[in-house]
Amino acid sequence: EPEVTQTPSHQVTQMGQEVILRCVPISNHLYFYWYRQILGQKVEFLVSFYNNEISEKSEIFDDQFSVERPDGSNFTLKIRSTKLEDSAMYFCASSAKQRQETQYFGPGTRLLVL
Amino acid sequence: GNSVTQMEGPVTLSEEAFLTINCTYTATGYPSLFWYVQYPGEGLQLLLKATKADDKGSNKGFEATYRKETTSFHLEKGSVQVSDSAVYFCAQCSGGSNYKLTFGKGTLLTVNP
Repeated sequence: EPEVTQTPSHQVTQMGQEVILRCVPISNHLYFYWYRQILGQKVEFLVSFYNNEISEKSEIFDDQFSVERPDGSNFTLKIRSTKLEDSAMYFCASSAKQRQETQYFGPGTRLLVL
Repeated sequence: GNSVTQMEGPVTLSEEAFLTINCTYTATGYPSLFWYVQYPGEGLQLLLKATKADDKGSNKGFEATYRKETTSFHLEKGSVQVSDSAVYFCAQCSGGSNYKLTFGKGTLLTVNP
């Protein structure tokens, strides 16, 4: 069964450093998403992406964040200058064109900013 | 705005007990509703969904019925197993021009043998 994959599974970085989180969505999916889950809190929407552009972003997704689909398979989330409060689990998700609301999630990347 | 409210956990049950996890939502319009499950150390897995009123989603013995009149989507299972121990998230998707999911806070279920 096809699945969303994410790398790395864990990332530790120093405050102020740039990080890139990588995702490989399910191959025939066209809609892509990033969510985050701060420890002990609810899963929060960050951004949705379709047709090589952002469809919607939350207030969390400020200028420090960017997304990109650099090739036909990868979907990345970049945080330019990490802050302590960026520490969270980051989930990538994808969905198919005919069933956009049904999103399949990757296993997540746990980011720790020191 | 759109929101999802889940019953507070944690929930601890014995094996073969009946499970209910309550979920209610607020939304403009008629969202699609979902239950996701997160097993320890893993990501979110779609458990079941319902896209319109009175639909019943089911999977792995779990069920939830979309109740428009009470804006609810309660998760039930007749006989839980130890392997069902996980965090369960209720979520909605209101569609429109985007398909972002709005999640509840999650309910930790622990099933003891």
